[in-house]
Amino acid sequence: SQQGEEDPQALSIQEGENATMNCSYKTSINNLQWYRQNSGRGLVHLILIRSNEREKHSGRLRVTLDTSKKSSSLLITASRAADTASYFCATGAYNNNDMRFGAGTRLTVKP
Amino acid sequence: ETGVTQSPTHLIKTRGQQVTLRCSSQSGHNTVSWYQQALGQGPQFIFQYYREEENGRGNFPPRFSGLQFPNYSSELNVNALELDDSALYLCASSPRGANIQYFGAGTRLSVL
Repeated sequence: SQQGEEDPQALSIQEGENATMNCSYKTSINNLQWYRQNSGRGLVHLILIRSNEREKHSGRLRVTLDTSKKSSSLLITASRAADTASYFCATGAYNNNDMRFGAGTRLTVKP
Repeated sequence: ETGVTQSPTHLIKTRGQQVTLRCSSQSGHNTVSWYQQALGQGPQFIFQYYREEENGRGNFPPRFSGLQFPNYSSELNVNALELDDSALYLCASSPRGANIQYFGAGTRLSVL
């Protein structure tokens, strides 16, 4: 069963704009990760935020985590056409055997 | 490139048949996880292997089984294929205890 729920399901923006995607989850987590997937291929890890962290940055990516609301957001700044992909949040439990993914946000960046 | 390779890339089977998918993990990674991703959905955890033992399983029936070999490569076997088994099957490897997983490009299985 899915753990995370991404919002929106689809997002279309112009190059240069910022893209924000949200993720909500249901159970206690050890960490939350964001992955990217191009056209039904393998997933690529983008960023991990631990349950005791509130914000993390990596290049043009900014992730926030609010454990009281069981939610996270991924911000991509100054988007590029090459950012077009599906983005998934995934939550890891403390034993990390079972990583749960949401249904993803499909981002389209128009040149 | 993650160093995780899956074979074959595409496969067509008929209902009732059996299939074996293969995964070579990234060098130094002793943990392998398998996921099923239906069209338009996120990956769903099937199971994980560590040192040749199953180390966690998702909500999949027993006809989904796996193996891990001493070199940490892995197989996913699905018996009595059903139409709903049509999906992208993803393998991911990681060092033991690491949170980040490294995914292969997947095997696209079509069941007719």
